[in-house]
Formats: sequence, C-alpha cells, structure tokens
Amino acid sequence: EDQVTQSPEALRLQEGESSSLNCSYTVSGLRGLFWYRQDPGKGPEFLFTLYSAGEEKEKERLKATLTKKESFLHITAPKPEDSATYLCAVQRNMEYGNKLVFGAGTILRVKS
Amino acid sequence: GAGVSQSPRYKVAKRGQDVALRCDPISGHVSLFWYQQALGQGPEFLTYFQNEAQLDKSGLPSDRFFAERPEGSVSTLKIQRTQQEDSAVYLCASSLRVNTEAFFGQGTRLTVV
Repeated sequence: EDQVTQSPEALRLQEGESSSLNCSYTVSGLRGLFWYRQDPGKGPEFLFTLYSAGEEKEKERLKATLTKKESFLHITAPKPEDSATYLCAVQRNMEYGNKLVFGAGTILRVKS
Repeated sequence: GAGVSQSPRYKVAKRGQDVALRCDPISGHVSLFWYQQALGQGPEFLTYFQNEAQLDKSGLPSDRFFAERPEGSVSTLKIQRTQQEDSAVYLCASSLRVNTEAFFGQGTRLTVV
C-alpha cells in the first residue's frame, strides 16, 4: 500500500531562518512526487512535480529535491507570507490510475 | 473561468439529508478528481473522471456517495442520507491531460448536524 509520511508535523521559524521539510514515501512504480501549498480555507496550490531521483526544482525561496525514498522542501530565508501547510503527494504509473496519495502535511509558521 | 470553481462554499445538512456538491473545472481539462479532506489531514482520493467516463471510484467510502460528469465538464458529487462522519471539506481538482499537474478548487465545507 502506498504511504506518504511528512515531518515535522509543525514547524515554527523566525523570518530569515532557513529549514527543510521532509516527505518520506513508499510506493511501487512512482510516476511523480508533487508538492502543494495550502492556506487556511483554501484548496491546495500546486508548487512542483519531481519525476526522478536527483531532480531539483526551485521557485523563489523554495527548492524541492527527490531521492528514491524521500523528498525535501528547502525554504531559504523564509518570510511570514510563506506560512501555510505544505502537502506532499505521490502518483503511481498510469496503469495504477492517476490519483494522488497525500501525506498529512507540515504546518509552517514564520514569525517576523 | 480562470480556476476550478466549487459551490456551495459551505453547506450545513441535517443528518439523513441528501446533498449535491458542484465542481466547474478549468475549461478544456480532461481529468477531474474529487478528494475528501478531514481536519488536520491531507486530501484523500474519492473518484476520478477522464472526460465523462468515471475510471476510478475506489475511494468512495460507501454506496451513499455518487459522482457524475455527464458531458465531460461540470461534475456533481452527491451524498445521500448524510451522516456525521461525512463532515469534511470536499475538494475538486482538474488537469489538462492525463498525468499532468492537478489544480484544486477552494473546496466545499460540509457540516452534518
């Protein structure tokens, strides 16, 4: 059974204090790993898709990396507006369907 | 529209009542998904459509849940005889093609009292 575990559950940072969020996964036939950001009362907002081990993608203060067992979301010099829940999800190869299997998320709070 | 639109945003139902939740996907998007999100948890898959065909309904929790997308565009998730455990946020997502990134709506928060 596919499993996605995110850690920590919650993270408090001071503005400018860099850190990383972890997403560990167990899945047969990984097609892609997805990162989403979710603000309170809103739907998840797409950030990145990673397809193969060693791949990295960046967007502003965020960088996502992927290994065969886990993904990291690195946040460099965060600002208060980066506060949100960050969700990780895996998608299997097409013959297994297109659904995303999500982790429970990491709640990030950045204080000024 | 520019994004995925869901209505209503909030729904309060009495236990035993039937509800219908609507999703307007991004125009031209082939794939449409429904997810259920409990408080403090990640979204959980309910069902998937490719155009008008429902290809995967393995996540629907009981036969009280039914989804349709008759013309390959707007979709409706119907819950019959609602129970308290059905209280959650119901999210709809669409993607342009099979296996491209999915874009989510704001969700419908269902509260069963």
